[in-house]
Amino acid sequence: GNSVTQMEGPVTLSEEAFLTINCTYTATGYPSLFWYVQYPGEGLQLLLKATKADDKGSNKGFEATYRKETTSFHLEKGSVQVSDSAVYFCALSPRGGSEKLVFGKGMKLTVNP
Amino acid sequence: DAGVTQSPTHLIKTRGQQVTLRCSPKSGHDTVSWYQQALGQGPQFIFQYYEEEERQRGNFPDRFSGHQFPNYSSELNVNALLLGDSALYLCASSENFRTETYEQYFGPGTRLTVT
Repeated sequence: GNSVTQMEGPVTLSEEAFLTINCTYTATGYPSLFWYVQYPGEGLQLLLKATKADDKGSNKGFEATYRKETTSFHLEKGSVQVSDSAVYFCALSPRGGSEKLVFGKGMKLTVNP
Repeated sequence: DAGVTQSPTHLIKTRGQQVTLRCSPKSGHDTVSWYQQALGQGPQFIFQYYEEEERQRGNFPDRFSGHQFPNYSSELNVNALLLGDSALYLCASSENFRTETYEQYFGPGTRLTVT
């Protein structure tokens, strides 16, 4: 079946620290991969996506590369800010398009000044 | 342009009761999906509606049912509520599921507490 395994937190970092959140997936075929972010009291927002192998998604200083050989989609940011404090979810869509999303459990990040 | 809206924001129900949650999709979107997010977990797909029909369903019992109206808005109904149904229910809308480039836009959710 389809599943996503990601680092679970919570994680606390100091401002300007480097961030990596690991995500690996299991899927049949060629899924699309996503990172969603959930700020306190808000719904999920798409942070970035990649639809095929070796694609790199990027947004707001965050990056993730679709690695088919390692079935991974790790999220990175070189210098986090207090405003990045949120819960981060890795997700896949089995067949791309507006198909259902399969989410990991999420990782709560707190960034201190 | 309003995004995805959901109502109510919070709801408290008793075991055995029935509940209806509502969702209005983002303007221009015709596909609506529902997800259940238990505390500390990632969202779980319940089902998806397009053209007023359920086109995909996740691993949820028949107590969970839905409806989509001609204006693309949607309802999620849960019968015979269990304590385990307590969760944040998220609605997401997107363009026609056949489009390859898309984004699912999520609403703020409805927090359901079953006592």
